[in-house]
Amino acid sequence: ETGVTQSPTHLIKTRGQQVTLRCSSQSGHNTVSWYQQALGQGPQFIFQYYREEENGRGNFPPRFSGLQFPNYSSELNVNALELDDSALYLCASRAGGREETQYFGPGTRLLVL
Amino acid sequence: AQSVAQPEDQVNVAEGNPLTVKCTYSVSGNPYLFWYVQYPNRGLQFLLKYITGDNLVKGSYGFEAEFNKSQTSFHLKKPSALVSDSALYFCAVRPHYGNNRLAFGKGNQVVVIP
Repeated sequence: ETGVTQSPTHLIKTRGQQVTLRCSSQSGHNTVSWYQQALGQGPQFIFQYYREEENGRGNFPPRFSGLQFPNYSSELNVNALELDDSALYLCASRAGGREETQYFGPGTRLLVL
Repeated sequence: AQSVAQPEDQVNVAEGNPLTVKCTYSVSGNPYLFWYVQYPNRGLQFLLKYITGDNLVKGSYGFEAEFNKSQTSFHLKKPSALVSDSALYFCAVRPHYGNNRLAFGKGNQVVVIP
């Protein structure tokens, strides 16, 4: 198991609601990325945070937003939930610098009804 | 933008036989390549990576992968499959320079038959 933790493990919301997902990065890792994995698909990059700043974003609308805190933990916020937002949301951290490997947490499974 | 193709949805192999999971990629410049494995209702577990150097990369649990630049491939291999290797395998790529985002393939379900 990696040192990346995510909460909650499961979540059920209704369309139009807002959700916040949380991630604690592995000790010593200053870079956090978020991915969305729809059923039967590979993970899709949402965005990345480095030293509390967003420094890369995938093809996701602005209602997907995030934060990174001084301890390098991170949040993913999704507003105005849609049915298609139902997915496994994965957080990954890496040490930055020359270390290229991203280590993934167990994910949060979100169901939007 | 970078991309990965994993052409087979499912790979069936008998226990003890060699296992191969195929991956081809597209990226600007030199690639960083990764393999991850996902068990049911779990996150992704890192297996191995190619950054530079020797084209044959050895990873966890007896897995290895061969980088072939001319064929833009990075196939995952294991000489003797175990039933416990049954899982979903993902190949991922990102460029050496530029964005840090990983592009994943759609995954291959590996079924090892006892």
